[in-house]
Amino acid sequence: DAGVTQSPTHLIKTRGQQVTLRCSPKSGHDTVSWYQQALGQGPQFIFQYYEEEERQRGNFPDRFSGHQFPNYSSELNVNALLLGDSALYLCASSYLPSGMLNEQFFGPGTRLTVL
Amino acid sequence: AQSVAQPEDQVNVAEGNPLTVKCTYSVSGNPYLFWYVQYPNRGLQFLLKYITGDNLVKGSYGFEAEFNKSQTSFHLKKPSALVSDSALYFCAVRAPFILTGGGNKLTFGTGTQLKVEL
Repeated sequence: DAGVTQSPTHLIKTRGQQVTLRCSPKSGHDTVSWYQQALGQGPQFIFQYYEEEERQRGNFPDRFSGHQFPNYSSELNVNALLLGDSALYLCASSYLPSGMLNEQFFGPGTRLTVL
Repeated sequence: AQSVAQPEDQVNVAEGNPLTVKCTYSVSGNPYLFWYVQYPNRGLQFLLKYITGDNLVKGSYGFEAEFNKSQTSFHLKKPSALVSDSALYFCAVRAPFILTGGGNKLTFGTGTQLKVEL
């Protein structure tokens, strides 16, 4: 049973560019959340998708957007990249209909470097 | 707003000794609390959770955590540390479902680096 997978593993972009990160949830999961983890910090919640809609959003600008597909996989898009966007981006999945009692399972992350 | 504090950036302990990693939280309503561990260049691995019930929660790899409502704390513990336990540990809190509008956003602390030495 595959866990949460993310691609790519590493990515280098320059300021002003746009980037798309991808996530496939753990088998049986239908909810995907995205987190940004800057160096030396804890993960910060970006947003969460369930039933192909954004259900909850953290304090991130509109440059950060996402999408969830019918197969529950998800994309995170970041426009007009800034140096401060350099971080490890983590995807987490869970099964929401069983209640909020379930923990989230995290993928290995995508390391984004903005030059 | 919900928040988590991990007051220690680093905890050092000798192998075989007990370890404690501290966590305090702030959230409206009854909290849902979690501990995750992160190894270098890896994602987060779930260790244990407190939802309701017994204040002492047992999790993976011999870890346990004690929930204390009056002190708003959820400290991670292990009776006998191993060198392989050396990693970055994160405490996280989630607000009750009814307050989140259907989401299960986690708020994390800044992490505590655990170093277990021979």
